[in-house]
Amino acid sequence: QVQLQESGPGLVKPSETLSLTCTVSGGSFSNTNNYWSWIRQPAGKGLEWIGRIYVSGSTNYNPSLRSRVTISIDMSNSQFSLRLSSVTAADTAVYYCARYRGTGFDIWGQGTMVTVSS
Amino acid sequence: EVVLTQSPGTLSLSPGERATVSCRASQSVSSSYLAWYQQKPGHSPRLLIYGVSNRATGIPDRFSGSGSGTDFTLTISRLEPEDFAVYYCQQYGTSLTYTFGQGTKLEMK
Repeated sequence: QVQLQESGPGLVKPSETLSLTCTVSGGSFSNTNNYWSWIRQPAGKGLEWIGRIYVSGSTNYNPSLRSRVTISIDMSNSQFSLRLSSVTAADTAVYYCARYRGTGFDIWGQGTMVTVSS
Repeated sequence: EVVLTQSPGTLSLSPGERATVSCRASQSVSSSYLAWYQQKPGHSPRLLIYGVSNRATGIPDRFSGSGSGTDFTLTISRLEPEDFAVYYCQQYGTSLTYTFGQGTKLEMK
């Protein structure tokens, strides 16, 4: 079955750029029904959608983060990536990648904790 | 941007009781694009309900969803011990963005 796995540094310094990658296994990465998203969750708080990418490379972002976010896709490796620039402590969170198929986020990665600290 | 407001923030109930969680949107939401999730501590969210009232694969029939326009409800008919968790509603809008409610914690009384 389809599985998602986040990877990347767990610690990022303030003002630097957070970079994460989500690897999709088990097929379906290029399926045109799928949108691939990044979602984050600060400790003890709710879920915040960051942005998404389609297999064509088209993207949509949360307006509150748009100026700092870039999501890209690597079809050859079944991966998509997140870059969040100029991070502060407020960006400390568990970051999830997830698949949306027009009905809901039906598959999620296990999440990766990213701490912003010097 | 559509804002989703869930109520109550915390719900204290006992196993066997009925749970009702409300999700109110700041503007009308297409019924095709309203979903509910369950999240347990240390775990990723799990899709429960999509399209307002459709159960996702493997979700027990004690979970149901209803509503339209700006008011939506998640109901758990008879609580099982494993149902105590945090629940989120989520919508997808014409602005091509997604938003989540702030969450409702269902705790055991």
